[in-house]
Amino acid sequence: AQTVTQSQPEMSVQEAETVTLSCTYDTSESDYYLFWYKQPPSRQMILVIRQEAYKQQNATENRFSVNFQKAAKSFSLKISDSQLGDAAMYFCAYRRGNEKLTFGTGTRLTIIP
Amino acid sequence: GAVVSQHPSWVICKSGTSVKIECRSLDFQATTMFWYRQFPKQSLMLMATSNEGSKATYEQGVEKDKFLINHASLTLSTLTVTSAHPEDSSFYICSARGVSGANVLTFGAGSRLTVL
Repeated sequence: AQTVTQSQPEMSVQEAETVTLSCTYDTSESDYYLFWYKQPPSRQMILVIRQEAYKQQNATENRFSVNFQKAAKSFSLKISDSQLGDAAMYFCAYRRGNEKLTFGTGTRLTIIP
Repeated sequence: GAVVSQHPSWVICKSGTSVKIECRSLDFQATTMFWYRQFPKQSLMLMATSNEGSKATYEQGVEKDKFLINHASLTLSTLTVTSAHPEDSSFYICSARGVSGANVLTFGAGSRLTVL
């Protein structure tokens, strides 16, 4: 079974600084998708960024970028120029094809003004 | 963009009663909807997957007679918590996948259930 591990229950960063959230996963598949979701206090799940495993190029969405290391099964999220609105729970997730999403345990990110 | 509406956003009920939560895709047809449960400060746990017009597939350990899921149309799935008890109190979230958007799931805003 696929598992997703987020080893950092909590992280904090100074406003305008850069922070990296870690995620590792376990799978025997070669083709799959990886995601980072943000869950602010409103509890609404918001897709931050996604990566297709067959793509070598790391995905980037404005201030958010990933470091995808397929061989190491690592998928970290870097947030640049952190803003107060980035404060949230961040979940890493894995999905093979159209199968279910498997979520990590989450990392609570605090932004220090 | 794709929008999923979940209703009610919060509900309080007495122990022993049943509660229905609706999940609607507002601007797309959702062939598949997923229901999750989230306990405080924990991750989302998939309860079941529902496909339009067929029976839901439940995850191991989820009581299908307790958590009734119906996906009668391409825009609506419902989760009914039957004979609710305090331990059923939780945050329930649905997500939907459209016909063409196979790689993207859209989440509802969630429903907080409190059973007294």
